[in-house]
Amino acid sequence: KNEVEQSPQNLTAQEGEFITINCSYSVGISALHWLQQHPGGGIVSLFMLSSGKKKHGRLIATINIQEKHSSLHITASHPRDSAVYICAVLPNTGNQFYFGTGTSLTVIP
Amino acid sequence: DAGITQSPRHKVTETGTPVTLRCHQTENHRYMYWYRQDPGHGLRLIHYSYGVKDTDKGEVSDGYSVSRSKTEDFLLTLESATSSQTSVYFCAISEPGFKQYFGPGTRLTVT
Repeated sequence: KNEVEQSPQNLTAQEGEFITINCSYSVGISALHWLQQHPGGGIVSLFMLSSGKKKHGRLIATINIQEKHSSLHITASHPRDSAVYICAVLPNTGNQFYFGTGTSLTVIP
Repeated sequence: DAGITQSPRHKVTETGTPVTLRCHQTENHRYMYWYRQDPGHGLRLIHYSYGVKDTDKGEVSDGYSVSRSKTEDFLLTLESATSSQTSVYFCAISEPGFKQYFGPGTRLTVT
């Protein structure tokens, strides 16, 4: 059982498109973490948030605690954005993160 | 980038042999984690440590043990490797409640 669901599992976009990746979870959380994993394996932290919205460059992450849902948006997508995007939640009760299976994004020039 | 290294980066071993993976950090973070990553699954927690000599099990701890004798090192041991333990293993570090920083990963193949 996975308490974290991501959609879509796979996404192909044309360069320049606006992209949205969704993350839903079933437990009360204290924080949600968005990560990026490029081919070749390295995992990089993008955002950690517990409310509202955060922005870094062309990336925007939002969270709705009441609806148990978060979105990661990429504006003006670029082929270098091609990666797997992973959502992870930190439940209110506990010290460990639970991870979604990831969304594989391919941006075509 | 957070200072986390993993060794070895790649290993091929035979079924039944013991294997130890090492995670080393230079950030003095309190928490250290070992995950495995397999196709079709999210990252799954094997064990974690919340301080020197303080460890706890994750959701897939069977067949694995860990040790943390100093802040900077967290060792993962497969006492008798099995083919089901073929995976990519990631170490991560964090302060409580803060984002995790991941190591580069170790690709382990058990033949």
